[in-house]
Amino acid sequence: QVLLEASGPRLVKPSETLSLSCTVSGDSVSSSSFYWTWLRQAPGKGLEWIGFVFHTGTTNLNPSLEGRVTISIDRSNNQFSLKLNSVTAADTATYYCAREGRRGYDISGYNVWGQGSQVIVSS
Amino acid sequence: DIQLTQSPSSLSASVGDRVTITCRASQTVSDYLNWYQHTPGQAPKLLIYTASTVKLGVPSRFSGTGSGTRFTLTISSLQPEDVGTYFCHQSYSVPRTFGQGTRVEI
Repeated sequence: QVLLEASGPRLVKPSETLSLSCTVSGDSVSSSSFYWTWLRQAPGKGLEWIGFVFHTGTTNLNPSLEGRVTISIDRSNNQFSLKLNSVTAADTATYYCAREGRRGYDISGYNVWGQGSQVIVSS
Repeated sequence: DIQLTQSPSSLSASVGDRVTITCRASQTVSDYLNWYQHTPGQAPKLLIYTASTVKLGVPSRFSGTGSGTRFTLTISSLQPEDVGTYFCHQSYSVPRTFGQGTRVEI
């Protein structure tokens, strides 16, 4: 069974950096079959794709986040991480890590999700 | 960015009713369209991928059709445990995008 577990501070001050890590068990972030993904859902809003990292370390990020976001992979700890700089109240959301299958390699779509981490941006 | 528009935004139906939710894309996504169920306090669950493939373990009352820009999710006989928000998601291009969701109530 594949499990994703997100961890990191749940309260971040405005202008600071939001940092979350997602630990993968039952699978390897070195697998070429998946895109390791971060998403978020602000209160009362729909889901927003933040971006993903491939096993090579290559990333694809949402331009709407204006260069504030970094997603990286840590093969030694079987984790991938999210950093979001210069946060404001608008970044308050539930953050999810998820595994997206590459078409032709595995089930496409987000077949495995972390439990969701509610992060509040407030002084 | 590809916009996904769902309709209706909410619906109320009786147990046993047939329920249909539509997702329209602003440009073609081929069959790279997935459906999820989201209930409060839980992570979303994948129901259908590549427009019409029902994920293993998902009840057979769920089905999906469509290609290009118009897709539907159907629940053939609504059950109490089907309450929640359903949303579509395109994995055709980046940035990945989602429908705004359809809230289903009994």
